[in-house]
Amino acid sequence: QVQLVESGGGVVQPGWSLRLSCAASGFTFTNYGMHWVRQAPGKGLEWVSVISDDGNKKYYADSVKGRFTISRDNSKNTLYLQMNSLRTADTAVYFCAKDVAIYCGGECPPDYWGQGTLVTVSS
Amino acid sequence: SYVLTQPPSVSVAPGKTARITCGGNNIGSKNVHWYQQKPGQAPVMVVYENSDRPSGIPERFSGSNSGNTATLTISRVEAGDEADYYCQVWDTTSYHWVFGGGTKLTVL
Repeated sequence: QVQLVESGGGVVQPGWSLRLSCAASGFTFTNYGMHWVRQAPGKGLEWVSVISDDGNKKYYADSVKGRFTISRDNSKNTLYLQMNSLRTADTAVYFCAKDVAIYCGGECPPDYWGQGTLVTVSS
Repeated sequence: SYVLTQPPSVSVAPGKTARITCGGNNIGSKNVHWYQQKPGQAPVMVVYENSDRPSGIPERFSGSNSGNTATLTISRVEAGDEADYYCQVWDTTSYHWVFGGGTKLTVL
């Protein structure tokens, strides 16, 4: 069964950095693109970033472009999100999710999602 | 950037049919995906590519997409269907994924 477990969340001050991880199991990680999606407290879903199965294609929401970097280590079945210059508006639960199909190049929607990790940016 | 518009809330009695809309410019030319999210839980995909159902999703959930409106239809609504529902599309112009604002379904 597919399992996605996020970690790395916490409380940080504005301007600080944080790296999130997502450990994947139960499927062939190297064949699937992966997403990060966030949800601010009491708000809707906001797509953050997606990376293709081979890591060569990466797309970002305008709100995080230039500050966040998505990456993956296929040898460790792990997805990452490096978050720099954090702002209070980045406070949210961050979900990782896998593409619904293989070899989509980032253009397939996510089907299975992790339970999320909370990032709080506050002074 | 591409915008998806959903009604904030929809209410329906048990056993009736709920319809949740997702509006966007010429959305009929795109593939629309739908998610259900219950409080404190991760989203679950309920409709894929306009009208397909992932494995394990009841046949009561169906979707359609034409013109400027996509619709998620839930037949024979049950109390357990009460949740937030989100539509999503891939914007080929900006290479962004876009979510609608979400619709809270209340079962009366």
